Amino acid sequence: AQSVTQPDIHITVSEGASLELRCNYSYGATPYLFWYVQSPGQGLQLLLKYFSGDTLVQGIKGFEAEFKRSQSSFNLRKPSVHWSDAAEYFCAVGPTGFQKLVFGTGTRLLVSP
Amino acid sequence: DAGVIQSPRHEVTEMGQEVTLRCKPISGHNSLFWYRQTMMRGLELLIYFNNNVPIDDSGMPEDRFSAKMPNASFSTLKIQPSEPRDSAVYFCASSQGQGNTEAFFGQGTRLTVV
Repeated sequence: AQSVTQPDIHITVSEGASLELRCNYSYGATPYLFWYVQSPGQGLQLLLKYFSGDTLVQGIKGFEAEFKRSQSSFNLRKPSVHWSDAAEYFCAVGPTGFQKLVFGTGTRLLVSP
Repeated sequence: DAGVIQSPRHEVTEMGQEVTLRCKPISGHNSLFWYRQTMMRGLELLIYFNNNVPIDDSGMPEDRFSAKMPNASFSTLKIQPSEPRDSAVYFCASSQGQGNTEAFFGQGTRLTVV
């Protein structure tokens, strides 16, 4: 069965600093991978997805993620964090795309002034 | 489009009562998903529908939970009887087509069972 691990429960980053959120997955075949963001009291918003092709994918709000098959990782990055990026971030894997998504436990991002 | 609409946003009920959560998917979307979010278990897929038909309900925790989709614009998730451990945020999401199209999430219903 597929699973997703987000090893960092909380991360604090200074505004303007770079960000990397870690995600490792377990899946027997080529996975479909996703990053979602959840602001307080809100639903989940898709940041980016990887289905195939270029392993570096660009998303909304200046985020990108890199799929590394050898490391079973799909880490999320942003070169310069803004205070509005404070939220919870979820990595997910889906065997058939957006259906039957399996989510990680999330990483809460705090942005300090 | 207004997006996926869930109601109510908050629900507080007593143990043993029936609870019904509602979801209106985005118009034209033919796949609908119910997720549950708890501190202990994170986000879990409960059930999903395609063209109003339940495709996979393996995530439904027990028989107290049931979901219906009587038409393309409405779905319900019912818990009867409710228990305190059902307290969670329940999300509905919808997508158009098969698995490669984005699933859009509603704002969720926060359920508290006391």
